[in-house]
Amino acid sequence: NAGVTQTPKFQVLKTGQSMTLQCAQDMNHEYMSWYRQDPGMGLRLIHYSVGAGITDQGEVPNGYNVSRSTTEDFPLRLLSAAPSQTSVYFCASSSPRSGNTIYFGEGSWLTVV
Amino acid sequence: GESVGLHLPTLSVQEGDNSIINCAYSNSASDYFIWYKQESGKGPQFIIDIRSNMDKRQGQRVTVLLNKTVKHLSLQIAATQPGDSAVYFCAENQEGTYKYIFGTGTRLKVLA
Repeated sequence: NAGVTQTPKFQVLKTGQSMTLQCAQDMNHEYMSWYRQDPGMGLRLIHYSVGAGITDQGEVPNGYNVSRSTTEDFPLRLLSAAPSQTSVYFCASSSPRSGNTIYFGEGSWLTVV
Repeated sequence: GESVGLHLPTLSVQEGDNSIINCAYSNSASDYFIWYKQESGKGPQFIIDIRSNMDKRQGQRVTVLLNKTVKHLSLQIAATQPGDSAVYFCAENQEGTYKYIFGTGTRLKVLA
């Protein structure tokens, strides 16, 4: 049981490049989400999904796209990377069937130069 | 990977002492609370949770206290060990909603 797995762990991008952060969970959780974590700030919600085929914007969605074609996978796409997107990104999953506790992946460190 | 945790309040405790980390939550309608531990370069790890129908919950070496009157949450760690060194933050949720609010965290340093 791997929990929440995200890749890559580290990535450096040039301004304007695009990339996808991958996220997969094996707990059959309905809810999946992406957060960014910046120094001195709490985790901020980028996008979330309450089930396959359903996504919605969080607190800081601009510059990011998501899709949820399966229950297990929830990739995050950076369309045209900007230095302001330099951050640590966490994928998370939860289920109301198990108390709605959020479980996080190990993080992806992204630097945009 | 040490970009998170800069400029956080720090609590320094001697190994073997008890630690108390505090959190003021923001939404009076929140009824579910979680404490997370985040070690350097890793994702947040669930420690313990509590629902609003309780004011205290105990785990292994950890206790969470909830004071709804003043919207305050605390995490007590007994007999603090070097492996407890990390950033600790709280999260609040309102049942029936997906959204969580996360605190900025407190860095716990355990002195040998």
